Formats: sequence, structure tokens, C-alpha cells
Amino acid sequence: DIVMTQSPATLSVSPGQRATLSCWASQSVGTNLAWYQQKPGQAPRLLIYGASTRATDIPARFSASGSGSDFTLTISSLQSEDSVIYYCQQYDVWPLTFGGGTKVEI
Amino acid sequence: QLRLVESGGGVVQPGGSLRLSCEASGFTFSAHAMSWVRQSPGKGLEWVSFISFDGKNEYYADSVKGRFHVFRGNSKNTLFLQMSSLSPEDTGLYFCARDSAFWTPTWYFDLWGQGALVTVSA
Repeated sequence: DIVMTQSPATLSVSPGQRATLSCWASQSVGTNLAWYQQKPGQAPRLLIYGASTRATDIPARFSASGSGSDFTLTISSLQSEDSVIYYCQQYDVWPLTFGGGTKVEI
Repeated sequence: QLRLVESGGGVVQPGGSLRLSCEASGFTFSAHAMSWVRQSPGKGLEWVSFISFDGKNEYYADSVKGRFHVFRGNSKNTLFLQMSSLSPEDTGLYFCARDSAFWTPTWYFDLWGQGALVTVSA
């Protein structure tokens, strides 16, 4: 199975500052990578697919890049509602696998 | 309004069985592949099973293969997960999730339910 590793586990950022989250795959997944946001008590929400394409209605302050094994999610100007958990998921190879998550806190 | 609503969770003893349901509304359920994804404190998000839009193809995580069965009733817009031989390691919040595309799956999920809690404990 492809192991997805996210770093850091917790990221402390001031409001209005940039947050940079990393996700590594144990082998190349091309650009078959998605990012999700999960607020407490809620289901995950698709943010990014294809490694860099924002999903419907996702604000422009969320951007992502990467290919192969190394991926980044950037929140350009952190707002209070962004202080939640983010997961990456590879969908290049079965089984589909998720990273352990990065908690962003203000 | 797009919606997925899970039901059927509960407390079950090790070795027991449980069936989860996921009722879809607000979209053409029969056009989308669906998956079950579970979340437990120790393991984060774990994909569990997949079923194609027409129910003809199924895939399972190794951890549940042979014990879980996914099926769907397109006429009733409902997805099911039949779970048997449950162990404490199956404890978690089970989400149903919609594949983002019509017909041909993309393997990522653009709509999730709120989850059904399954607790396996004696």
C-alpha cells in the first residue's frame, strides 16, 4: 500500500498569515492526489483534486501544487474558519489511502 | 440539496454483524460510484469499500475483505454496507462518500455523509 505522510502534525499560524502543509507519498502517485478539510463533528470536504485543481466553491486562498511524491497545500491568508484538520488522499493505486492529517491552529 | 445520510450504526459485540445504510438525495444516485470510508482515533481516515454506479464492480480494503459486503439499491437511492465478524478494530465513524464524476469513477469524493458510529465492544 502507498503510505501518505503529512507534516507537520500540528501547525500554528497567526490570522492573516500563510499556512503551508506538506504531504508525501511512499511512491509516485503522479498528480492523483486530493486534499480534504474536516471541521470538528463534520464530514470531510473536498478542497483540491488532481494535485492542484480547486473543487467547486473553494476560496482562492487555498492553492496546492506538487506531483510524484511531494505535495503542498497552501492557505494564503489564514482565516479563523480555516483552523481545522486537513487530509491528503492518493487515488493512483488501490487501495486508496489517506494521510494522517495536519491540524491547523490559530 | 445534495445529501447523504447514514444510519444503522450502534454497539455490537465482537463477532457480531451490522448493516449500515446511506440514503442519497438531491442528485442522480444511480450515476455515481460510491465508497465507504471510516475514521477511528488511532487510524485516521481509512477507505473501506467501493461500488460502481451499476453495482457490478466492488472493491474492498484488505482489512475487511471477506467480512464486509457493499451493495446498492439504485431504485431507492440507497447504499448499504453489510458488516460481519466484527472486531474492536472495526470501531469507528463510517462515512459514505460520492465519487465526483458520473459513471466513470475518479476515485476522490466530493460529497460525504455525516457518518454512522459503529462501536464493537463486549
